[in-house]
Amino acid sequence: ETGVTQTPRHLVMGMTNKKSLKCEQHLGHNAMYWYKQSAKKPLELMFVYNFKEQTENNSVPSRFSPECPNSSHLFLHLHTLQPEDSALYLCASSQDHGETQYFGPGTRLLVL
Amino acid sequence: GQNIDQPTEMTATEGAIVQINCTYQTSGFNGLFWYQQHAGEAPTFLSYNVLDGLEEKGRFSSFLSRSKGYSYLLLKELQMKDSASYLCAALTGGGNKLTFGTGTQLKVEL
Repeated sequence: ETGVTQTPRHLVMGMTNKKSLKCEQHLGHNAMYWYKQSAKKPLELMFVYNFKEQTENNSVPSRFSPECPNSSHLFLHLHTLQPEDSALYLCASSQDHGETQYFGPGTRLLVL
Repeated sequence: GQNIDQPTEMTATEGAIVQINCTYQTSGFNGLFWYQQHAGEAPTFLSYNVLDGLEEKGRFSSFLSRSKGYSYLLLKELQMKDSASYLCAALTGGGNKLTFGTGTQLKVEL
């Protein structure tokens, strides 16, 4: 595996479900990011981690809970989501803050 | 707040040249990125400008004017595979945050 991988690629969940999105980077980077991409809207930064420490929470609702156990792995735990949370969730990594970010293929989430 | 503006859609002919403009109004500007995103795929890095001027990389070039809050991406010798969304993004917040525009959907026609 190379680059940034994300699983699952597609996810359908009900509003009462709990699920997790996984991201893994094989680039030896120190910073990792979660973004949300909705139709007709810009990519929205959600969370930033640097050396496993959260450095940015962009006013994200608490129903989204990130976890970064090490510099290579990043999770996004989802619970009691709303239909408007349906979107493409993209993970990215960079060597350090301020450097080029490399994106994973994303998880297409549908909340029913 | 942060504001990034770019045209929503553009159409160009195969073999031609197209320029995609981006204007930004941000606080703590550190640099300007361009990404390409094909439908259903991840954004891929194209270019990064920190200083004023033109950066050329093969068929793609990117320009930045910090004083004017303006950038453009120039695509030469257009190919059908260049049909994609082109995302302009400003690095702000001391290098901690990447703020994206809505993207310009480019359609290359025969």
